[in-house]
Order: sequence, then structure tokens, then C-alpha cells
Amino acid sequence: AQSVAQPEDQVNVAEGNPLTVKCTYSVSGNPYLFWYVQYPNRGLQFLLKYITGDNLVKGSYGFEAEFNKSQTSFHLKKPSALVSDSALYFCAVSSLMDSNYQLIWGAGTKLIIKP
Amino acid sequence: EAQVTQNPRYLITVTGKKLTVTCSQNMNHEYMSWYRQDPGLGLRQIYYSMNVEVTDKGDVPEGYKVSRKEKRNFPLILESPSPNQTSLYFCASSLSTGIPYEQYFGPGTRLTVT
Repeated sequence: AQSVAQPEDQVNVAEGNPLTVKCTYSVSGNPYLFWYVQYPNRGLQFLLKYITGDNLVKGSYGFEAEFNKSQTSFHLKKPSALVSDSALYFCAVSSLMDSNYQLIWGAGTKLIIKP
Repeated sequence: EAQVTQNPRYLITVTGKKLTVTCSQNMNHEYMSWYRQDPGLGLRQIYYSMNVEVTDKGDVPEGYKVSRKEKRNFPLILESPSPNQTSLYFCASSLSTGIPYEQYFGPGTRLTVT
């Protein structure tokens, strides 16, 4: 079965420290991986994606993610957290189903950055 | 500005009173989708549409209907809403599903059914 896991419901980080939000996946075939962010009272916004090529992907707002095929992971990272990074983060994997790509979503991780 | 719009943003209604949540995108996207978001459950797909007049069930379609008569619009219809449909609803679109494009989301509709 194809799935995405975000093992932490919540991650707490002090402002200025590096942050990591974890994501692991299970799919057949090549994985296409995404991170989205949801700020309070807003819709989801696309942050970054891995399709192919360099395992380190850079995205919006200084975020990056590292694709690790052997560990089937796609962790989201940022070198120095800002209070404004506090939000809900979703990992998703795109899976080929009947000739079309459909997104499978993780449950989300709440990131809290403390001043 | 490229965007997905939803209306209304907030809706309180009573059990059994039919309602429609509209969704429109101005990016000429082929693919559109409806999700509901509930605490602890993440995003669950209700229905999706690959193109005009092509719709299919997602993971939680019971109690919902959709239509795709025009490329830009994808309304969600609750013919007889029930309290378990109280949720935050998102419409999303992407260019197509031929390759894994990112999805663009609307601002959400918070629905309360009493």
C-alpha cells in the first residue's frame, strides 16, 4: 500500500535554531515528493518538490528538503527558524494510478517556533 | 493574479438544507479536486476531476456531489448536509495529472452543520 508518514504531530524549535520536519513514504515506482505549508486560516501553499536529479531541493522561504532513497525519506529543513515559520506542514507523495498522478497526503506536522 | 477562489468562506447551516460551495480557478488547469480537513486526519480527498465532464470519487465521497461543466469551475454540492460534514473544505487545482504537478489551493470554506 502506498503511504506517507509524518511521525511527529508537533515540533517545537527555538527561533534561530535549525529545524527538521520528518517525512517517510512508501510507494511503488519512482517517488515524486512535495511539501506544503498551511498558515493559520489560510489554504495550503506549495513549498517545494522533488521529481528527479539533485537530492537536495530548495524551495520557498528558505526551506529545503533532502530526498533519501535508501531511507525512503524526504525531511524538510531550514538552517535558522523564524517565528513566522510557525504553521502546519504537510508532506505528500505523487503516485501513478491508472495513468494519472494522484497525491497521497501525510497527516501534517504542527511546527511551533518559540522566540 | 493566478488563484483558486472559494465561496463562501464560512457557512453555518442546518441538517438537511442543500448547499453548494463554489470553486473557480483562473489558471486553465485541467485537474481540480475537493478535500476536507479534520483535526488529526489531515487532508482527505472527496472528489476530483481530470477535465470537463470527467469526475471521480476520492477517499470520502459519501454525502457529496460535484460537477465539472466548465474547465474553471468545480462546485461541491451537499444535498442533505449532516453534522458529520462539519469540516474545513479546500478546493485545489493543478495543470494536469500527466506528470506530478504541484496543486494550488483555495483559501478554504469552514462549514458548520447543526
